[in-house]
Amino acid sequence: RKEVEQDPGPFNVPEGATVAFNCTYSNSASQSFFWYRQDCRKEPKLLMSVYSSGNEDGRFTAQLNRASQYISLLIRDSKLSDSATYLCVVNRHNAGNMLTFGGGTRLMVKP
Amino acid sequence: NAGVTQTPKFRILKIGQSMTLQCTQDMNHNYMYWYRQDPGMGLKLIYYSVGAGITDKGEVPNGYNVSRSTTEDFPLRLELAAPSQTSVYFCASSGTGNQPQHFGDGTRLSIL
Repeated sequence: RKEVEQDPGPFNVPEGATVAFNCTYSNSASQSFFWYRQDCRKEPKLLMSVYSSGNEDGRFTAQLNRASQYISLLIRDSKLSDSATYLCVVNRHNAGNMLTFGGGTRLMVKP
Repeated sequence: NAGVTQTPKFRILKIGQSMTLQCTQDMNHNYMYWYRQDPGMGLKLIYYSVGAGITDKGEVPNGYNVSRSTTEDFPLRLELAAPSQTSVYFCASSGTGNQPQHFGDGTRLSIL
């Protein structure tokens, strides 16, 4: 089983739609969780951290479910500019406490 | 506000040539990383460093070498370039292992 698993997509949604991505992780001891965004042919950029109680940043909401070992990202009122690949990132805890990147979920928002 | 700087941005090599990809960061981060990303694929960790003088292998280290003589710099060397090393290479840094990583804007390398 991969350490971090994501549905690669693509998710094709119309502008204004609400879309959600899930990501599962294998190490129950993981403590740090993030969502990154990567535009085509660009470097990954931090979108938001994920906190135990859930957190929101504008149109973006991140949730953590420790019991089921998954995190989610909800995007409301999708914009064309949200089209990108979203990477789920989890720390390994046992292996130098470093981050592991998921393979990403591709989102395409259409007019 | 430079962050992580990678040079060169693009490079074409012939099979068997060698080169060094440069990476420097100005955030005084202890951890630095090299990733490669093939088209349509995820990031794969090549090497990482937890501080000056300390380096370790990631999941795909074969064909590469690194050094970390200073906190700021983490060069990646390709010896005997092969077509399979055609990829986009990203350098990243973080304060500690579980803090968010900051990425450079990548080096696009083609080996023909």
